[in-house]
Amino acid sequence: QKEVEQNSGPLSVPEGAIASLNCTYSDRGSQSFFWYRQYSGKSPELIMFIYSNGDKEDGRFTAQLNKASQYVSLLIRDSQPSDSATYLCAVNRDDKIIFGKGTRLHILP
Amino acid sequence: NAGVTQTPKFQVLKTGQSMTLQCAQDMNHNSMYWYRQDPGMGLRLIYYSASEGTTDKGEVPNGYNVSRLNKREFSLRLESAAPSQTSVYFCASSEGANEKLFFGSGTQLSVL
Repeated sequence: QKEVEQNSGPLSVPEGAIASLNCTYSDRGSQSFFWYRQYSGKSPELIMFIYSNGDKEDGRFTAQLNKASQYVSLLIRDSQPSDSATYLCAVNRDDKIIFGKGTRLHILP
Repeated sequence: NAGVTQTPKFQVLKTGQSMTLQCAQDMNHNSMYWYRQDPGMGLRLIYYSASEGTTDKGEVPNGYNVSRLNKREFSLRLESAAPSQTSVYFCASSEGANEKLFFGSGTQLSVL
């Protein structure tokens, strides 16, 4: 089992709808969870981080963490064409950050 | 606010040549990282430095060496470049281990 798994997509979502991105991880000792957005040809940029079980909201973004199920998700409400990008889930293992392969999200105008 | 600065932005090497990728951060961060990104592979950790004076292997360290020169600078060296090392390389830093990463703009490396 890979350490951090994501569906590679592409995930196509109509403009204005909710986009749901999912990630599972293998290390039960992981404590830090991140979502990065990466536009083509650009560097990843942090959009959410979460350390505790439950939901964390920031504007149109909500991160959800379930440590018992080793599952972290990102919801994007009112999806905009500018949200079209690759979303990378990242999780700590010991003192390093490991990334999933990313999910390509395409918002349909 | 420079953040994380990587040089060079682009590089073409011949097989067997050596080079060093430079990275510097001005945020007084303790931890620094080198990742490579290949199409469809996400980011894979090459080496990291949790704090000044320490370095550790990541997921794909073979063929690379690193130096944490001081708190600001973390360099990545390819001693004998191979075509399999063609990739985009990102340097990142964080205030501490397991905290949010700030990335440089990347280095596009081609090995012919």
